[in-house]
Amino acid sequence: GAGVSQTPSNKVTEKGKYVELRCDPISGHTALYWYRQSLGQGPEFLIYFQGTGAADDSGLPNDRFFAVRPEGSVSTLKIQRTERGDSAVYLCASSLVGGRALDTQYFGPGTRLTVL
Amino acid sequence: LAKTTQPISMDSYEGQEVNITCSHNNIATNDYITWYQQFPSQGPRFIIQGYKTKVTNEVASLFIPADRKSSTLSLPRVSLSDTAVYYCLVGEEDSNYQLIWGAGTKLIIKP
Repeated sequence: GAGVSQTPSNKVTEKGKYVELRCDPISGHTALYWYRQSLGQGPEFLIYFQGTGAADDSGLPNDRFFAVRPEGSVSTLKIQRTERGDSAVYLCASSLVGGRALDTQYFGPGTRLTVL
Repeated sequence: LAKTTQPISMDSYEGQEVNITCSHNNIATNDYITWYQQFPSQGPRFIIQGYKTKVTNEVASLFIPADRKSSTLSLPRVSLSDTAVYYCLVGEEDSNYQLIWGAGTKLIIKP
């Protein structure tokens, strides 16, 4: 079946602009994660959804970052007033249940965000 | 809080066995230890997971001692295509859902 997809694959924007990054998880997966990954670094946790609700948003760096998953499927990560430091690859993963390392996460290819 | 430690990088040669160890303390007692592999420009992908002792699948083995304070990913007879970054993932103690990723080990396989 289809894996996790993310759009766009690349996004170039100017400092101060607003961006939206989309994630389409595997159908039937309850859990959805957003991560940020800078070059040479491991995934940095941002937010974890169980169904429609954010079970843990402690990784969001500040209030410029927001994510939604209104119907428990597709999720959108929204970044306001982008800064150059936001440049990174944003990864989305979904899993069947979520919340445990036991539950395999399936990752999308990521969106590479570049803020000029 | 749970904490993980992995070597930053490792080199090996084709045909050799490679062992990568992740140290982790204060991990969830009711959760597994999972390892992922990441190639450039791709998201991480699952390799193997285990709770205790030894687990083997078609690509790797995972050794976890009884105290579960570390885990060792073993790749038998590596090839150039095993060049990647390898991450361990554990659950946070006293948390229902928080997960801790290792910083990753960059493995380079030479011909």
